[in-house]
Amino acid sequence: DAGITQSPRYKITETGRQVTLMCHQTWSHSYMFWYRQDLGHGLRLIYYSAAADITDKGEVPDGYVVSRSKTENFPLTLESATRSQTSVYFCASSGAGGPGDTQYFGPGTRLTVL
Amino acid sequence: AQSVTQPDIHITVSEGASLELRCNYSYGATPYLFWYVQSPGQGLQLLLKYFSGDTLVQGIKGFEAEFKRSQSSFNLRKPSVHWSDAAEYFCAALSGTGYALNFGKGTSLLVTP
Repeated sequence: DAGITQSPRYKITETGRQVTLMCHQTWSHSYMFWYRQDLGHGLRLIYYSAAADITDKGEVPDGYVVSRSKTENFPLTLESATRSQTSVYFCASSGAGGPGDTQYFGPGTRLTVL
Repeated sequence: AQSVTQPDIHITVSEGASLELRCNYSYGATPYLFWYVQSPGQGLQLLLKYFSGDTLVQGIKGFEAEFKRSQSSFNLRKPSVHWSDAAEYFCAALSGTGYALNFGKGTSLLVTP
């Protein structure tokens, strides 16, 4: 099905473990984004990518790693999870038509770090 | 620093009543402006966006927003709220040179019978 998907939808892990959140889009959008959503903070940008093999930091990148070897995938890795990374993570994508291109959001991944 | 402010954390309205959600931005130049809605347990859905031109923007689900440059505001309105409008609403901005949205902290809307 077309669209943007995230997996897993729910994840519980322990402090210090590595976790990878997956994001896949079928529109061949150039831009992809990772946001985290926390109470009282709204959504904050972690990383974004303008194209395959091009990534850049957002507002809160510490503790996260991204890669983009294929246009359609944009995985987010927590190399050593901490409790402060308990959050809801949203992936988004948009075309390269300019800043006004709509960002489409995935359904989110709820991550709990114990 | 560029910022988006939603002054109201929670708003409660009666079903059928009108609604206005406030959003203010602080940018050097007028940014692109957006309103998103998030239903419980769901991702974000775009309601409407403003780039330039007519300052009254129509969106989906009967929502509209008015851009006021003099007040640096982009308030969201709906003339008659339905119970299904209960959700979290986010205002967001994008500078002309950027691609990543800058979100406000959101306003939670509760609709009472």
